[in-house]
This record gives sequence, structure tokens and C-alpha cells, in this order.
Amino acid sequence: QKEVEQNSGPLSVPEGAIASLNCTYSDRVSQSFFWYRQYSGKSPELIMSIYSNGDKEDGRFTAQLNKASQYVSLLIRDSQPSDSATYLCAVLFTGNQFYFGTGTSLTVIP
Amino acid sequence: KAGVTQTPRYLIKTRGQQVTLSCSPISGHRSVSWYQQTPGQGLQFLFEYFSETQRNKGNFPGRFSGRQFSNSRSEMNVSTLELGDSALYLCASSFEGAYNGYTFGSGTRLTVV
Repeated sequence: QKEVEQNSGPLSVPEGAIASLNCTYSDRVSQSFFWYRQYSGKSPELIMSIYSNGDKEDGRFTAQLNKASQYVSLLIRDSQPSDSATYLCAVLFTGNQFYFGTGTSLTVIP
Repeated sequence: KAGVTQTPRYLIKTRGQQVTLSCSPISGHRSVSWYQQTPGQGLQFLFEYFSETQRNKGNFPGRFSGRQFSNSRSEMNVSTLELGDSALYLCASSFEGAYNGYTFGSGTRLTVV
């Protein structure tokens, strides 16, 4: 059974704080991992992809991958109210099937 | 550069009818995937087309079908609509597949009454 699990939240953080979003997945041999952001009433948009163990930084966003623990996370530094959205973790499983988690709702409080 | 275009944006259909949704991917993208999004189930994979061939299929009944044309445009069809088919249907395009990351269209909101 291929699964991507996220804490549905809601997660609330004050403006300027670090928001930490977590995701676990079921297939040990998965190689490609993605974070998407979805604003209410909009379609998902790709924020970051990560393929190797460790950290990958892009502006205020850092993706972290630990394949041994089957765990991927997204850190948002200096959170802004405009970061309030649902964050979707996605994993490319063997057989080229792409699965999304159900998402974590983030609210940044001014 | 034009994005992923989905038509129509909204549809209201009656149980038992059929519906066809359209997706035009980003120019040069050859992979088109379709997803169903509902509040309870999140994003669920329907199928992926690449160069006019279905490359992957999710766990949906045969009432859900699709195709891709030589210009990479794709259509999905749902026959014998059920109330539970009410959802946002999203099309996602990529150059070669999910490995490159997807760009999503704005979606088609289908309501079955």
C-alpha cells in the first residue's frame, strides 16, 4: 500500500516564526519528493523538489529528506501571512506513480 | 508562456449523464496527468498520458477514461455520473513525467445533482 501521510493540522504560527511541516511515506525506494502549496480555491503550485538526503534551501524554504526514516519535511523561515495555505507533500513511488498527502493547513498569524 | 488550460471551469450535471473535460498542457510538455480532489480524500491520481499512450492508471472505476491527442491535449470522460463524482478535477502537465514536477491547471469543478 503506497501512502503519504501528513498531519492535517491546522498549524498556526506567529508572523516571523519558523513553520515546520512533516511528511512520511511508505515506499523505501522512492527517489523523488515534492512540496506543493495550495491556496484556498486555487490549484497546487510546486514549491520545492528534493531527491537526495539532507537539506535543500530556496529562499525562506528548506526541504529536508531522510530516506532511512522515510521522512521529508518543509521549513518556512520568517513566516508571513501570505504563507497561509495548505501544503501538500508528494512522493514519486516505484512504477512512476505520484501520490499526494492530504495536506497540512498552515495559518500565519500577524 | 501559457500555462495549463482546463475547460470548462464549472460544470453541473445530473446523475447518469456523462461529461468530458479538456486540458491543454504547457507547450512542449508531453505528459498530462489527471487528479480528482475532494475535501475528504485529497488529491487522488486518475491517470497519466504520455505521447498519446496511457502510462499509468490509478484505482478508479472504468467509468473514468481519458485520452491524449497528438498535440498533447488531453480529455477525460466520466460516464454514468454518480453524486460521489462531484469534485475538483485537476490536470497537471510536465515535460516528461512527475519526476520533473507538475504544473497544474486551474481545474474543473464538477457538481453532480
